[in-house]
Amino acid sequence: QEKVQQSPESLIVPEGAMVSLNCSFSDSASQSIWWYQQHPGKGPKALISIFSNGNKKEGRLTVYLNRASLHVSLHIKDSQPSDSAVYLCAVRGSNAKLTFGKGTKLSVKS
Amino acid sequence: DPKIIQKPKYLVAVTGSEKILICEQYLGHNAMYWYRQSAKKPLEFMFSYSYQKLMDNQTASSRFQPQSSKKNHLDLQITALKPDDSATYFCASSHPGLDYEQYFGPGTRLTVL
Repeated sequence: QEKVQQSPESLIVPEGAMVSLNCSFSDSASQSIWWYQQHPGKGPKALISIFSNGNKKEGRLTVYLNRASLHVSLHIKDSQPSDSAVYLCAVRGSNAKLTFGKGTKLSVKS
Repeated sequence: DPKIIQKPKYLVAVTGSEKILICEQYLGHNAMYWYRQSAKKPLEFMFSYSYQKLMDNQTASSRFQPQSSKKNHLDLQITALKPDDSATYFCASSHPGLDYEQYFGPGTRLTVL
């Protein structure tokens, strides 16, 4: 059974800071890794995904995947108060099922 | 306009009763899913459907029964409700296949007393 661990549990940063979120997973055969953002009382919204080893950049977001160490990280550049939310790491296996971590709660203070 | 509609937004039920959670998507997707999020656990996969056929069931209990009456509908019937069933239930949809984003609805928050 796939296991997904996220760290830190929560994070408070000043506006404009670089944010780094971590995620480790247990199955090296996982198909893809997804990062979702969830605001209170809302459904999760996908931000970025990665399928292959290496990194991928989209706007202020960069994700790094290292399959050998079973680790993925999400970096948010120039963080804004509107980035305050819970960030969920999800691993997709061969059956399209997403396995989620418990999330990192990010607060960006202006 | 919301692309995935879940009804109701909030639901209170008594132990032992039965409820149906409604999900409709207007994204043109052929794969639909149910997930559950409780205070104690991370977001958990429950079911997946593709072209109205059950593809995967990760729930341990037969009290949870998905129902697909139309290709853009996937309702969730829960019978013999227990307090432990209290959670927010999210419907999601995507194109079939592993490369596509799963879009989530706003959720139905169920409280069982």
